[in-house]
Amino acid sequence: DTEVTQTPKHLVMGMTNKKSLKCEQHMGHRAMYWYKQKAKKPPELMFVYSYEKLSINESVPSRFSPECPNSSLLNLHLHALQPEDSALYLCASSVTGTSFSDTQYFGPGTRLTVL
Amino acid sequence: ELKVEQNPLFLSMQEGKNYTIYCNYSTTSDRLYWYRQDPGKSLESLFVLLSNGAVKQEGRLMASLDTKARLSTLHITAAVHDLSATYFCAVEETSGSRLTFGEGTQLTVNP
Repeated sequence: DTEVTQTPKHLVMGMTNKKSLKCEQHMGHRAMYWYKQKAKKPPELMFVYSYEKLSINESVPSRFSPECPNSSLLNLHLHALQPEDSALYLCASSVTGTSFSDTQYFGPGTRLTVL
Repeated sequence: ELKVEQNPLFLSMQEGKNYTIYCNYSTTSDRLYWYRQDPGKSLESLFVLLSNGAVKQEGRLMASLDTKARLSTLHITAAVHDLSATYFCAVEETSGSRLTFGEGTQLTVNP
């Protein structure tokens, strides 16, 4: 099973709402990632969790708050977002996320629209 | 800061023709990935290239890596419409886990 799942597929929220994106994998991977992708652009790394600890935060605004409750789950909590935060949010996982090179497997993404 | 450049950014080609997409990167790395993305969809891993001179082939696609030249190529042989997609190369920093993506090549294969 090389599948990363994400829910919801689509999310529309107002600037005052609080919502969460969820990501799950059952491949035994110990590294999980959040990316943001705008239309016609490459994915931009937001956060990396390695062995359930936050290892990389790419200076993401605090209105995005990641959480890794266990090795299979990754959440992204959203609060007071701006319209420019509208994008496709991709979750990925890999075996270790350390200097050992391993492929990142991407989920289908959540299409977020902020009104 | 690692920079990754792909060219061309847009490629329109006829079925049956061959073409090459280029990926240049700015600092030392020996780990490079190619991904495919269909419109509105996620990224699908195509190839992982882990050493100088690595060559991988799958169907009509072949990828190679020259770490000395800091260059990877994705060669398309006898293109078919199903290959229409955006192709990204991504380079892994030597410190691990962080991928830097190229801008992507939007490939359209016309009948």
